[in-house]
Amino acid sequence: EAQVTQNPRYLITVTGKKLTVTCSQNMNHEYMSWYRQDPGLGLRQIYYSMNVEVTDKGDVPEGYKVSRKEKRNFPLILESPSPNQTSLYFCASSKTTSGRSNEQFFGPGTRLTVL
Amino acid sequence: KNQVEQSPQSLIILEGKNCTLQCNYTVSPFSNLRWYKQDTGRGPVSLTIMTFSENTKSNGRYTATLDADTKQSSLHITASQLSDSASYICVVMDSSYKLIFGSGTRLLVRP
Repeated sequence: EAQVTQNPRYLITVTGKKLTVTCSQNMNHEYMSWYRQDPGLGLRQIYYSMNVEVTDKGDVPEGYKVSRKEKRNFPLILESPSPNQTSLYFCASSKTTSGRSNEQFFGPGTRLTVL
Repeated sequence: KNQVEQSPQSLIILEGKNCTLQCNYTVSPFSNLRWYKQDTGRGPVSLTIMTFSENTKSNGRYTATLDADTKQSSLHITASQLSDSASYICVVMDSSYKLIFGSGTRLLVRP
């Protein structure tokens, strides 16, 4: 089944403890992206990647890192999490970045709480 | 500043009724406009994608319209069902492939 998977789905951690949220897609998509969603603010893009070894900042990259060493995986790293990073996180992928058919497929979300 | 504004913020309708959600954007240059449905706690699911040259697109009971001149889009839901209760998000992609999200309209369909 074609899908985007994220792990973990739920995570409670403490300030300063490094964590990684994994994202994997099995559709051979070139474009991958991370978003956070907060009440009243909608989805905001954190980082995106056009292809392997190519990443770029979105609207809210501070406090986050990403890597794209292989096409299928795009982990989100929080080196020193803080309470303001408590949020619902979504990973998404699409076949390309251009053209009419660049529909984005979203993962199920990761609910992160930083105490 | 590139923005996507949606209205209303929330809407309650009775099952079987129709409704229309609005989206206004200031994104330029424009590449395409998408509507997503998001159930509570789940990832958004694509409903329609429209480019500059398309002014209407349907997906079952969902019909999206686009007026690129006035930079307005609408999503019309026909014969609503309880399962239509969700948030509907309007998203515009600019020419550099950046996605700008609206904050969504929360729809509740009551029996």
